[in-house]
Amino acid sequence: GENVEQHPSTLSVQEGDSAVIKCTYSDSASNYFPWYKQELGKRPQLIIDIRSNVGEKKDQRIAVTLNKTAKHFSLHITETQPEDSAVYFCAASKKTGANNLFFGTGTRLTVIP
Amino acid sequence: GAGVSQSPSNKVTEKGKDVELRCDPISGHTALYWYRQSLGQGLEFLIYFQGNSAPDKSGLPSDRFSAERTGGSVSTLTIQRTQQEDSAVYLCASRQQGSTDTQYFGPGTRLTVL
Repeated sequence: GENVEQHPSTLSVQEGDSAVIKCTYSDSASNYFPWYKQELGKRPQLIIDIRSNVGEKKDQRIAVTLNKTAKHFSLHITETQPEDSAVYFCAASKKTGANNLFFGTGTRLTVIP
Repeated sequence: GAGVSQSPSNKVTEKGKDVELRCDPISGHTALYWYRQSLGQGLEFLIYFQGNSAPDKSGLPSDRFSAERTGGSVSTLTIQRTQQEDSAVYLCASRQQGSTDTQYFGPGTRLTVL
């Protein structure tokens, strides 16, 4: 099955700085890679996703890059704000079959005002 | 429109009792997933329903866990003879079958087994 690893487990940055979270996956058949943000006690919310036919995707201050050859993908948050503080999860899935998501173990991001 | 809803939001039970957790997916979403999130961990896939097809139960951790989806909509996850290690947040997600891959999560049920 798929194995997704995520680093770092915790990350603290000053407000305005950038944050980068990295994930690797094991199954070369995986072709969909979403990122979820989960605030304390709340449900995971999709913030951005990328499919394997694209190398990079950007949405305002958030960007995701994908390296299919190396089987890794990263989340980049620029100009961080205190409201970006949350746990971020990467995930991977295949288009065929159940499409169930395999999640990384999460990164707790703290943005220090 | 309404998102995925789950009930109860919290459930405290004694070891050995059975529990039922409910999920109402987004209307029109034919795919439904159950995940488990243990404290400080990522989400672990449990079971997947798609329309009238046989569910994918490959993630269920033991035969004490089962799930049903009646009428292609509401789903119930049942845990029999609960154990302390079953304590976790149980999350349901739904997806519109077709071109989108996006799964939308419910708020979860926090299960505590004493």
